[in-house]
Amino acid sequence: AQTVTQSQPEMSVQEAETVTLSCTYDTSENNYYLFWYKQPPSRQMILVIRQEAYKQQNATENRFSVNFQKAAKSFSLKISDSQLGDTAMYFCAFMKPSSYNTDKLIFGTGTRLQVFP
Amino acid sequence: DTAVSQTPKYLVTQMGNDKSIKCEQNLGHDTMYWYKQDSKKFLKIMFSYNNKELIINETVPNRFSPKSPDKAHLNLHINSLELGDSAVYFCASSQPGQIFYGYTFGSGTRLTVV
Repeated sequence: AQTVTQSQPEMSVQEAETVTLSCTYDTSENNYYLFWYKQPPSRQMILVIRQEAYKQQNATENRFSVNFQKAAKSFSLKISDSQLGDTAMYFCAFMKPSSYNTDKLIFGTGTRLQVFP
Repeated sequence: DTAVSQTPKYLVTQMGNDKSIKCEQNLGHDTMYWYKQDSKKFLKIMFSYNNKELIINETVPNRFSPKSPDKAHLNLHINSLELGDSAVYFCASSQPGQIFYGYTFGSGTRLTVV
């Protein structure tokens, strides 16, 4: 079974600085997808960034980028120029595509990020 | 226009009661899910439905019964509520063949059993 591990329960960063959140996963699959979701205090789950395992190029979305190391099974999230609105829980998630619609997102335990002014 | 909407947003009820949470999506997705987020914020899948058919049932107690009247709706009925059922329940949807885009989540229903 696939597992996702986020080893940092809490992180803090000053506004405008850069922070990196760690995520490792365990799978024997070769083709899969990885995601980072953000959950602000409003409780809404918001997709931040996604990565296809067969693409070596790291995904980037504005201030958010990932460092995907397939051999090491590592998928870290870098937030540049942190803003107060980035304060949230961040969840790393894994999904194995399925031909039978049995795909499911498997989440890590989350990292609570606090951005200070 | 909310893509995935859940009602109610908050639900406080006594042990032993029966309650329902409703979910509707207007994205035209074929697959819908229920996830449970516990007090430690851990998210775990409970059920998935594809076009009204149950696909995933993750060893959830029989007191939980999902119902999908059509592919745009997935409701969750809980019988004989227990204190341990207190959690945030999220509905989500996705489209087979486009799962790279991830799931779209509702805003969650915070269930408190007293």
